[in-house]
Amino acid sequence: GEDVEQSLFLSVREGDSSVINCTYTDSSSTYLYWYKQEPGAGLQLLTYIFSNMDMKQDQRLTVLLNKKDKHLSLRIADTQTGDSAIYFCAERTGNQGGKLIFGQGTELSVKP
Amino acid sequence: DAGVIQSPRHEVTEMGQEVTLRCKPISGHNSLFWYRQTMMRGLELLIYFNNNVPIDDSGMPEDRFSAKMPNASFSTLKIQPSEPRDSAVYFCASSLLGGGTYEQYFGPGTRLTVT
Repeated sequence: GEDVEQSLFLSVREGDSSVINCTYTDSSSTYLYWYKQEPGAGLQLLTYIFSNMDMKQDQRLTVLLNKKDKHLSLRIADTQTGDSAIYFCAERTGNQGGKLIFGQGTELSVKP
Repeated sequence: DAGVIQSPRHEVTEMGQEVTLRCKPISGHNSLFWYRQTMMRGLELLIYFNNNVPIDDSGMPEDRFSAKMPNASFSTLKIQPSEPRDSAVYFCASSLLGGGTYEQYFGPGTRLTVT
């Protein structure tokens, strides 16, 4: 079955880089996503990567995908206090229609 | 675009009452998802629809929960009767199936408190 795992907490200093990790089990994943949830809000799509890519960069965000190890990471450069939030990774497998499998979320705390 | 719209944003009700949560997906999207989020259980998929047809309702907790999608622009999630353990934030999300990247767009959620 499908499963997506993330560590629950990460704490960094403002200005440092943050790396949030995610592992998944389904090798037929086609797309993988990163979402951000701020307190009291819904999940906001940050970025996604297609499974035939190994890296995608978007401003301060870098997504790395190691398909062999089924490992996904999100790097946030120059982390700011406004980046404090819960970050979810999610996968779409090939046989699930539009359904996404979400991890349990990583709470990022950025200290000044 | 206004994004996914949910109403009400907050609902406080007493145990045993019927609760109806509403969702308007993004115009043109053909898939709609209902999620529940709690501290204990995280984000859970309750049910999803493709082209207004329920595809997978295996996440619906029990018969007290029901969901409908009478047309492409409206869906409801009903809890009858409500119980305190139903207290959670309920999210609706929509996506475009067949659109290529399948990303889901979430509404702001309805915070439900059952006393």
